Amino acid sequence: TQLLEQSPQFLSIQEGENLTVYCNSSSVFSSLQWYRQEPGEGPVLLVTVVTGGEVKKLKRLTFQFGDARKDSSLHITAAQPGDTGLYLCAGRRGAQKLVFGQGTRLTINP
Amino acid sequence: GAGVSQTPSNKVTEKGKYVELRCDPISGHTALYWYRQSLGQGPEFLIYFQGTGAADDSGLPNDRFFAVRPEGSVSTLKIQRTERGDSAVYLCASSLSAGEDEQFFGPGTRLTVL
Repeated sequence: TQLLEQSPQFLSIQEGENLTVYCNSSSVFSSLQWYRQEPGEGPVLLVTVVTGGEVKKLKRLTFQFGDARKDSSLHITAAQPGDTGLYLCAGRRGAQKLVFGQGTRLTINP
Repeated sequence: GAGVSQTPSNKVTEKGKYVELRCDPISGHTALYWYRQSLGQGPEFLIYFQGTGAADDSGLPNDRFFAVRPEGSVSTLKIQRTERGDSAVYLCASSLSAGEDEQFFGPGTRLTVL
């Protein structure tokens, strides 16, 4: 059973389009993080959201934490080929343990 | 400074063999984590060290898996009697301290059990 469900699992769109990736759970997390992973590399942290309803922006990326701290979304505006990669959400359970979703593999076509 | 490094980058072994995977964390980071990432999945927590001690090993799948960090820096993940199902990318991460939010990941070791 996947504690964090990401959707869609695969997404292929054209450059310039907008997209949203979702991360859902039935459990409450103290914080939720989004990572991006390139082939042959480890995940790299993009953002951490802590407060229910929190919205954070990173250039063309907008991250939102649900009011109940059970879900999150990542919205990309005007996607570029450089945005291609595996996007992972991870919830913090307990002091240190991270629980990851299965990932969304995003491909932006020129 | 240097990031988290892992060796080897690739390891191919035969079913039943013993393997050791090494992780060098960022200098000064006291917390170290091991994760396993199977194909098409997100990383799965295995074990977490604070200093030399394993603070949480609840993710180790069975007693064939063991990890050590004898001097509070380098860590070794040891897998005995490897099985084909152990094939995955093993990721190591470190953070400045137990309460630090950001974990820095290494590139991983791709283990293939034939």
